[in-house]
Amino acid sequence: QVQLQESGPGLVKPSQTLSLTCTVSGGSINSGDYYWTWIRQPPGKGLEWIGYIYYSGSTYSTPSLRSRVTISVDTSKNQFSLTLTSVTAADTAVYYCARTPARVRGVIAFDYWGQGTLVTVSS
Amino acid sequence: SSELTQDPAVSVALGQTVRITCQGDSLRRYYASWYQQKPGQAPILAIYGENNRPSGIPDRFSGSSSGNTASLTITGAQAEDEADYYCNSRDTSGNHVVFGGGTKLTVL
Repeated sequence: QVQLQESGPGLVKPSQTLSLTCTVSGGSINSGDYYWTWIRQPPGKGLEWIGYIYYSGSTYSTPSLRSRVTISVDTSKNQFSLTLTSVTAADTAVYYCARTPARVRGVIAFDYWGQGTLVTVSS
Repeated sequence: SSELTQDPAVSVALGQTVRITCQGDSLRRYYASWYQQKPGQAPILAIYGENNRPSGIPDRFSGSSSGNTASLTITGAQAEDEADYYCNSRDTSGNHVVFGGGTKLTVL
């Protein structure tokens, strides 16, 4: 059974950098079968796709955040990470990591999710 | 267009059938996936592709699609189905992912 677990600071000051890591267990991140994804949800609001990374290092991210987002992968630790620079209060959200099957034609689905971690941007 | 539109709220009487819809241009080319989210919990994948249910999802959940609209149908809604439901798909470029705004389902 695949499990994902987010970790990182729960409080970040405005203008600083948010950094989160997702640890994958029960399966290898070094697989061509999946994308590894970050999604966030501001309190009381809907889901927002941030981006995903392939084991090879190829990344895709939402245009609205692209200039501030970096997603990286460490296959030796079975982890992938998110950094978001120059944060503001609008970046306060629950951040989820998730797995996405890569070879299902015409479909993008997140089949396993971490429990989520709340990151608050405040001084 | 890169948007998916959902009704903000839908209600259904216990045991009745309810359909939750998701509209967007990208749905003419890509399938929607559907997620159930209960308060304080991570979303759970409920339907993906043409009409596929992951293991553990009751068969009262089904999916369909026509034109630019995807639908999630719950046949015989149960009290435990009360939750927020989100659709997602690729956007029209195929390179990015979009979510609908979510539908809050109330079971009366």
